[in-house]
Amino acid sequence: DQQVKQNSPSLSVQEGRISILNCDYTNSMFDYFLWYKKYPAEGPTFLISISSIKDKNEDGRFTVFLNKSAKHLSLHIVPSQPGDSAVYFCAASDGNFNKFYFGSGTKLNVKP
Amino acid sequence: DVKVTQSSRYLVKRTGEKVFLECVQDMDHENMFWYRQDPGLGLRLIYFSYDVKMKEKGDIPEGYSVSREKKERFSLILESASTNQTSMYLCASTGPGGEEKLFFGSGTQLSVL
Repeated sequence: DQQVKQNSPSLSVQEGRISILNCDYTNSMFDYFLWYKKYPAEGPTFLISISSIKDKNEDGRFTVFLNKSAKHLSLHIVPSQPGDSAVYFCAASDGNFNKFYFGSGTKLNVKP
Repeated sequence: DVKVTQSSRYLVKRTGEKVFLECVQDMDHENMFWYRQDPGLGLRLIYFSYDVKMKEKGDIPEGYSVSREKKERFSLILESASTNQTSMYLCASTGPGGEEKLFFGSGTQLSVL
């Protein structure tokens, strides 16, 4: 049973618009959340993270929002660029950084 | 920058073969991990190691074993490869000052025929 879920396998967005990728989790012990980006034939690369003591973290065009009561986080990309086209994974940890739980990924396509 | 290197990008093996996947990191990281990535299932943890000669099972260890004889090297072993082990295998590491972030290798796409 997956503890981290990404219910949208794919998302298509026009260049310049906002991309919103969603992630839900079930384990209330999770207190650290990450987003990774993966291009084909490459390993995932770290994008942005958020601790449970915050509800928002921003890094350039990327913002992650955390709603602990809903056990939901989202990644906003504004403005979206064609180079953002990739698979995005959300991940969670319970503070024991030996284990990270990953969602199934959302494939983002940004159309020029 | 942390570098995690996986020895092979693509590998084709026969059912029943013993398969070794090698991973080396150059940042003196304590923790190393092996994941497999399958469509619709995301990344699933096979094994991890928090020190030399130490290992712990992840969520899907069946059919796999690991070896960590040196701090920088973590090997995944498929004792007798089967077709359901066809997958993308990803090695990762974390270490002091960066435990909250996994650094991944570029992956090995293994096909078992």
